[in-house]
Amino acid sequence: DIVMTQSPLSLPVTLGQPASISCRSSQSLVHSDGNTYLNWFQQRPGQSPRRLIYKVSNRDSGVPDRFSGSGSGTDFTLKISRVEAEDVGVYYCMQGTHWKTFGQGTKVEIK
Amino acid sequence: EVQLVESGGGLVQPGGSLRLSCAASGFTFSSYWMSWVRQAPGKGLEWVANIKEDGSEKYYVDSVKGRFTISRDNAKNSLYLQMNSLRAEDTAVYYCVRDQDGGLGSWGQGTLVTVSS
Repeated sequence: DIVMTQSPLSLPVTLGQPASISCRSSQSLVHSDGNTYLNWFQQRPGQSPRRLIYKVSNRDSGVPDRFSGSGSGTDFTLKISRVEAEDVGVYYCMQGTHWKTFGQGTKVEIK
Repeated sequence: EVQLVESGGGLVQPGGSLRLSCAASGFTFSSYWMSWVRQAPGKGLEWVANIKEDGSEKYYVDSVKGRFTISRDNAKNSLYLQMNSLRAEDTAVYYCVRDQDGGLGSWGQGTLVTVSS
């Protein structure tokens, strides 16, 4: 099974400042079809998860452009250019290349 | 607008059974793979199972193989999860999710399953 490892697990951030979350996979996420199926999700307190990013760097509809995804192979990053109060929550990466496995989650809170 | 509404959760004793349902609307249900994902209280997310558009292929996480069965009724725009031989570690919120773009696109609000005596 592919293991997804996120860091940090807790991320205190200052409003208006950037934030970055790392996600590493135990093996390459490049699928035989040439795509890399790496998703990012946001789960606000008390809510269902919401997908932000698919296939590494594609934003879902309605996702603010302050969220961006990058990376390749086994190393991926979610960046928030300027953190807003509504960004508080837990962020998960997930690989969909071989079955589906999630990272442990990164809790983003305001300092 | 995509809507996924789960139902069927509740309290069940260890070794018991429960059937979850998910009513889908706002999209062509028969054109999408569908998944169940769960989240134990205060814990992270775990993909449980998924099913192909026509129901011909089904996949499960190892921990539920032989105990859980995913199914769908495209005529009723509904997804199901039959859960047998339930254990305390199956306690979680279960989400119905539409597979999309090699990932999990749209999520329901979830239904809580509690396995306890």
